[in-house]
Amino acid sequence: DTGVSQDPRHKITKRGQNVTFRCDPISEHNRLYWYRQTLGQGPEFLTYFQNEAQLEKSRLLSDRFSAERPKGSFSTLEIQRTEQGDSAMYLCASSQPTGTSGSVYEQYFGPGTRLTVT
Amino acid sequence: GEDVEQSLFLSVREGDSSVINCTYTDSSSTYLYWYKQEPGAGLQLLTYIFSNMDMKQDQRLTVLLNKKDKHLSLRIADTQTGDSAIYFCAERGYGGSQGNLIFGKGTKLSVKP
Repeated sequence: DTGVSQDPRHKITKRGQNVTFRCDPISEHNRLYWYRQTLGQGPEFLTYFQNEAQLEKSRLLSDRFSAERPKGSFSTLEIQRTEQGDSAMYLCASSQPTGTSGSVYEQYFGPGTRLTVT
Repeated sequence: GEDVEQSLFLSVREGDSSVINCTYTDSSSTYLYWYKQEPGAGLQLLTYIFSNMDMKQDQRLTVLLNKKDKHLSLRIADTQTGDSAIYFCAERGYGGSQGNLIFGKGTKLSVKP
């Protein structure tokens, strides 16, 4: 297994443009998460999917952000009308239930997509 | 509210033990995690502890949990220069937020030769 992959690794865009990021989770992981990390901060949760269902969205996920996981495998995160405040590292993670009760859900992270909005 | 706090910096000499501390606010957190992030890289899961445990050891890593004080620590024995990184403590959300992890700001560990 090659781990969680994300594409692109870097994206520079002009304010007002739309961008889309892709995440490929570890195969057979049923949960997929998106986080955002800015300089000097820990990752902040955005949203997560169990299979194709989007189960939770953070208040940080404004209506300019949309995430999909149409077939329960890869996911996309789209940001419309980007703003300079959207500049950050966007991290994807995936997990599957582990532990004796199937409740541990260790999250494995990808390398991230660094977005710069100019 | 949910909050995880860590000291921002720690400097140790190679071969010494490192202790990274973390406090959290949610007493109903079920799992607590430690992640490592090296420059330009994603987060690497180091270890986790279930809230009904008070200690977990994994090779050079020892996690201590004081649930009464909501205090978590990560001890790295025989710290090496390759351990230099940012270490994040995280708690798993509770109730309706069981999917997400809540991270601290991270502790930057510098190991001097």
